[in-house]
Amino acid sequence: NAGVTQTPKFRILKIGQSMTLQCTQDMNHNYMYWYRQDPGMGLKLIYYSVGAGITDKGEVPNGYNVSRSTTEDFPLRLELAAPSQTSVYFCASSSRSLSEKLFFGSGTQLSVL
Amino acid sequence: EDKVVQSPLSLVVHEGDTVTLNCSYEVTNFRSLLWYKQEKKAPTFLFMLTSSGIEKKSGRLSSILDKKELFSILNITATQTGDSAVYLCAVHCRDDKIIFGKGTRLHILP
Repeated sequence: NAGVTQTPKFRILKIGQSMTLQCTQDMNHNYMYWYRQDPGMGLKLIYYSVGAGITDKGEVPNGYNVSRSTTEDFPLRLELAAPSQTSVYFCASSSRSLSEKLFFGSGTQLSVL
Repeated sequence: EDKVVQSPLSLVVHEGDTVTLNCSYEVTNFRSLLWYKQEKKAPTFLFMLTSSGIEKKSGRLSSILDKKELFSILNITATQTGDSAVYLCAVHCRDDKIIFGKGTRLHILP
């Protein structure tokens, strides 16, 4: 099983550029989450989704957008990249029956210069 | 504002020691408290606690929740170098948000 797959693994952006971080899961999970992790810090929730067509803001949504058109995919969009968005981004998913047990992707290391 | 506070932020002990990691929380609509372990990359799930006073145990790791005082502890006995990691505490809220603390970075010396 692939689990949660994130692409790309690494990316360098220039200030003002846009990009989409891809996340897909093959476990038929209803819940999906996007977190960012700055060096030496915990995870901050950006956006989450409890099912296709439903998205909600987390703790730090500014500068990001998401969509959830299918159960499998939950892409994260950065419209105008800023140095403050340099971070490691993790996508995670969980099932409705055990929504607390998050399965994480391997992360995307993003640098904005 | 919902928050999860962990202490200490870092800890260095010798192999064989016992450690206690702390987590306190202030959230609206508490549903459960979670512990995760993060080694090199992505966090992995350890425990979910929903009821006060009931210990969850897995090998040398155990955890307990106090919903009156709004805290949890994670104990690791007879530590091994493989226990070196960042331990993350999180709270699952009834609106399905999962909020994490900053983590405790644990280093076990051989």
